[in-house]
Amino acid sequence: KQEVTQIPAALSVPEGENLVLNCSFTDSAIYNLQWFRQDPGKGLTSLLLIQSSQREQTSGRLNASLDKSSGRSTLYIAASQPGDSATYLCAAKSRTSGTYKYIFGTGTRLKVLA
Amino acid sequence: GAVVSQHPSRVICKSGTSVKIECRSLDFQATTMFWYRQFPKQSLMLMATSNEGSKATYEQGVEKDKFLINHASLTLSTLTVTSAHPEDSSFYICSARFWGNTEAFFGQGTRLTVV
Repeated sequence: KQEVTQIPAALSVPEGENLVLNCSFTDSAIYNLQWFRQDPGKGLTSLLLIQSSQREQTSGRLNASLDKSSGRSTLYIAASQPGDSATYLCAAKSRTSGTYKYIFGTGTRLKVLA
Repeated sequence: GAVVSQHPSRVICKSGTSVKIECRSLDFQATTMFWYRQFPKQSLMLMATSNEGSKATYEQGVEKDKFLINHASLTLSTLTVTSAHPEDSSFYICSARFWGNTEAFFGQGTRLTVV
């Protein structure tokens, strides 16, 4: 059974810092891994999608890496801004009992201080 | 990009009543839809997976008679919370994917409060 965990659970940093969010998954047989942002009381905004054959994806100040063999993905945020404050979720897509499922991590609550 | 619309965004209902949440794919045909529940400060927990025209597959611990899922068309899935109780109060989010695409697209969620 796939389990996804994220470390740290919460993070508070001053504006301008570069930071790394970690995501670990127990079953390396994933099809892709996706990073999302969730603002309080809101739905999900997709940030980056990494296919199982890829090592990393970049979008603006965000860079996500994937190491299937070690069961890890990281989300790197460069030059953090107060607007980056949100909860960041990773989700691993894998096949279970013939069905593709997205299993979400526990989330990292990020607060960037001005 | 693919858009998933969820309605309503917020709903308050009385204990014992039923409430329906709609999830629509606006610009693609959703062959598979997923329903998630999220309690405060917790992650999203998958409730069920539904393929168009088939019965939904529920995750362990999710009561299929309480959370009725219908995916009768390629653009619409509904989740009905029957005989709602205060402990059903939660944030419900749907997602959808279409055949051949690996990415899931998410609705904006529905905040359900049962009083």
